[in-house]
Amino acid sequence: ETGVTQSPTHLIKTRGQQVTLRCSSQSGHNTVSWYQQALGQGPQFIFQYYREEENGRGNFPPRFSGLQFPNYSSELNVNALELDDSALYLCASSPDRDQPQHFGDGTRLSIL
Amino acid sequence: GEDVEQSLFLSVREGDSSVINCTYTDSSSTYLYWYKQEPGAGLQLLTYIFSNMDMKQDQRLTVLLNKKDKHLSLRIADTQTGDSAIYFCAESIDYGQNFVFGPGTRLSVLP
Repeated sequence: ETGVTQSPTHLIKTRGQQVTLRCSSQSGHNTVSWYQQALGQGPQFIFQYYREEENGRGNFPPRFSGLQFPNYSSELNVNALELDDSALYLCASSPDRDQPQHFGDGTRLSIL
Repeated sequence: GEDVEQSLFLSVREGDSSVINCTYTDSSSTYLYWYKQEPGAGLQLLTYIFSNMDMKQDQRLTVLLNKKDKHLSLRIADTQTGDSAIYFCAESIDYGQNFVFGPGTRLSVLP
């Protein structure tokens, strides 16, 4: 039990649509990161938020955006969905930037 | 640039030792990690090693780091069927943050 909850667990969308994925972290977890894990690959870092501000970003286009809220929840938004966006999206959180992150079980997004 | 490589598959018999290998390229990596992922689940941190260490042991797990060759290994002693999973090697500059993951090694444990 990591204390990181993601919703929904599965989602099906079509090309061009927009999607919002949600993550709920433990109280006091000021840092949240999002990762994309394509089938058969390792997770890739999308971005990190610290105290509600973006604190680092991987090699993902601007149509991937995020928000972090004061209640320790966060969102990953993806616009103009493409077939290659089909993946498991993982959220990870930690109390601070120098402490280990705990991962949720992910949201599996399928694009038709 | 950052790149982490692993062999994709490993099969061992129950009770034997498993050794999963990983190479990385970023010399500025400070922390190296091993994560386990079971089907349908997220990532579980197994162990980590700081780059100034050569070895770390934690119960059945032994991590060896050869910083000169940028080679990391995870040895699982007395491998059990419950150890069947995908094992990811990851590196980061800051502890626990912004990982770069390898492609994962699928460990199959045969009875």
